[in-house]
Amino acid sequence: NAGVTQTPKFRILKIGQSMTLQCTQDMNHNYMYWYRQDPGMGLKLIYYSVGAGITDKGEVPNGYNVSRSTTEDFPLRLELAAPSQTSVYFCASSYFAGGRTDTQYFGPGTRLTVL
Amino acid sequence: KNEVEQSPQNLTAQEGEFITINCSYSVGISALHWLQQHPGGGIVSLFMLSSGKKKHGRLIATINIQEKHSSLHITASHPRDSAVYICAVGEYSGGGADGLTFGKGTHLIIQP
Repeated sequence: NAGVTQTPKFRILKIGQSMTLQCTQDMNHNYMYWYRQDPGMGLKLIYYSVGAGITDKGEVPNGYNVSRSTTEDFPLRLELAAPSQTSVYFCASSYFAGGRTDTQYFGPGTRLTVL
Repeated sequence: KNEVEQSPQNLTAQEGEFITINCSYSVGISALHWLQQHPGGGIVSLFMLSSGKKKHGRLIATINIQEKHSSLHITASHPRDSAVYICAVGEYSGGGADGLTFGKGTHLIIQP
């Protein structure tokens, strides 16, 4: 299993540009998450999904959109990039069943710079 | 919203020392996670626990639900243990998990 994969690893955007961060997992996990990590701060939840077709906002959703058309894929869309979105983005997945969630597995991260 | 506090923020120790990292949280949780992040690297889950104690190799994690406190211990520390250790808590809302709330991390350096 490849686990959780993310592309690209690095990206530089100009202010106002848009892009999609890709995330794929091959563990048949039903739950998927997007986090951002800023220097000196804890990771913060952007969006999460509990299954295909179901998404919900996390703590810091402004400026982002997500979709979940399949179990495997959970892309994160940045519209009109701003310098405040410069960060490292992590995708994660876990399996939830019977009222219990399992360990979260993280992707390698995407380092995004907006200039 | 849960508040997660870790201490210390930075820790430098000599190889072989016993290491303790603490985590406290403010609201009841479903599970607490300890994660490891190497410089420039990804994030790896070390433990997920909701009660008691877990051990994996030289790592031990404990949690006290009543006191809302957890500790991560490293025995016989080694330079390869140098990393950022992150405490995170999970809470349930409605029928599912909301994702994790994270502490800011403890930056550990083990010197040879």
